[in-house]
Amino acid sequence: DADVTQTPRNRITKTGKRIMLECSQTKGHDRMYWYRQDPGLGLRLIYYSFDVKDINKGEISDGYSVSRQAQAKFSLSLESAIPNQTALYFCATSDVGTGVRDEQFFGPGTRLTVL
Amino acid sequence: KQEVTQIPAALSVPEGENLVLNCSFTDSAIYNLQWFRQDPGKGLTSLLLIQSSQREQTSGRLNASLDKSSGRSTLYIAASQPGDSATYLCPIGGYNKLIFGAGTRLAVHP
Repeated sequence: DADVTQTPRNRITKTGKRIMLECSQTKGHDRMYWYRQDPGLGLRLIYYSFDVKDINKGEISDGYSVSRQAQAKFSLSLESAIPNQTALYFCATSDVGTGVRDEQFFGPGTRLTVL
Repeated sequence: KQEVTQIPAALSVPEGENLVLNCSFTDSAIYNLQWFRQDPGKGLTSLLLIQSSQREQTSGRLNASLDKSSGRSTLYIAASQPGDSATYLCPIGGYNKLIFGAGTRLAVHP
């Protein structure tokens, strides 16, 4: 079974709809991240969380919100989706306690299309 | 501001060739550098992680080097195979995030 899972894997929605993307991990890591990837560009950080009580904005957080429901679960919401939020979204985890500082492990991605 | 550049943007080689992918970054104050491969429409698979105190890491046919003073890392792939075809990414590990470049798209043809 995959260590980092994302649901849904694909989603098509309309402008103005509220969308939630979910991420779960079985790695026992404290840190979780949400990135988006646009064609021809590198991944960019949306939000990150170092533990359940810690949520931080990344470089492109406008239009997004997150919820860290438990150590293993980190959800990304688009409050009112717009077409330029069409992208591939990735969740990642990392743990600084293993001696391999901040090695990140990625989920399979969610392809979101906003019409 | 840390920036990551990967050259070339795309590369096509015949099977069996040894090749080098280049990665450069602007700020030498890094925690680590992690090489990933990404298959089309798929997630990222970690290949190698180099800590800031290390100079290289090896895994099978892959060897990655890190030179912080010059702001460069290279990924050496020996005896390339069609299955190596993918986009390769070399994000820099800062305190709280990875900083990505656009990647190098590699095609290995039989």
